[in-house]
Amino acid sequence: QKEVEQNSGPLSVPEGAIASLNCTYSDRVSQSFFWYRQYSGKSPELIMSIYSNGDKEDGRFTAQLNKASQYVSLLIRDSQPSDSATYLCAVGRAGGATNKLIFGTGTLLAVQP
Amino acid sequence: EAQVTQNPRYLITVTGKKLTVTCSQNMNHEYMSWYRQDPGLGLRQIYYSMNVEVTDKGDVPEGYKVSRKEKRNFPLILESPSPNQTSLYFCASSLSPAGGLKTQYFGPGTRLLVL
Repeated sequence: QKEVEQNSGPLSVPEGAIASLNCTYSDRVSQSFFWYRQYSGKSPELIMSIYSNGDKEDGRFTAQLNKASQYVSLLIRDSQPSDSATYLCAVGRAGGATNKLIFGTGTLLAVQP
Repeated sequence: EAQVTQNPRYLITVTGKKLTVTCSQNMNHEYMSWYRQDPGLGLRQIYYSMNVEVTDKGDVPEGYKVSRKEKRNFPLILESPSPNQTSLYFCASSLSPAGGLKTQYFGPGTRLLVL
């Protein structure tokens, strides 16, 4: 089992719809959770971070965390063609000297005009 | 402008020819890290550094070396590159030494091809 799992997609949604991206993680001691957006050939760019259970909203983006279910999601409202990218879920785990970020393989989102 | 820079951005080399990829950040960040990104495998950490002269292995350190003599620089060294090190490499930095727990900022990437 991978430490951080995402559906590779592609997830195709029409312009203006809500895109829902999901991520599960295996290590219960994980403390921090991030969503990065990566355009093809470019570097990852932070979209959202979330540290406690519940929802966190920032503009069109909402991150949701459920630690009991080991599940984190990203909702993108009013999806735009410019949102088409790969979305990487990353989970932070503290462990003495081994504080590290574990990435999923990403979900490709395609927003159709 | 706050940024992480990497050089070179693109590199084609041959097996066994030593190379160095430089990484520099101007944000006074404590934590720096190197990742490689491969199709289907995602981003995997190679090495990280929690501060000057403090480095440690990530998940895929074999064939790589790093050093952290200054806070701003964290070069990645491939002493004897092999074709399986062909990849897209990213340097990242974070303000907190607990780099895995805080936001990391990524450089633009270095695409390496080893023939």
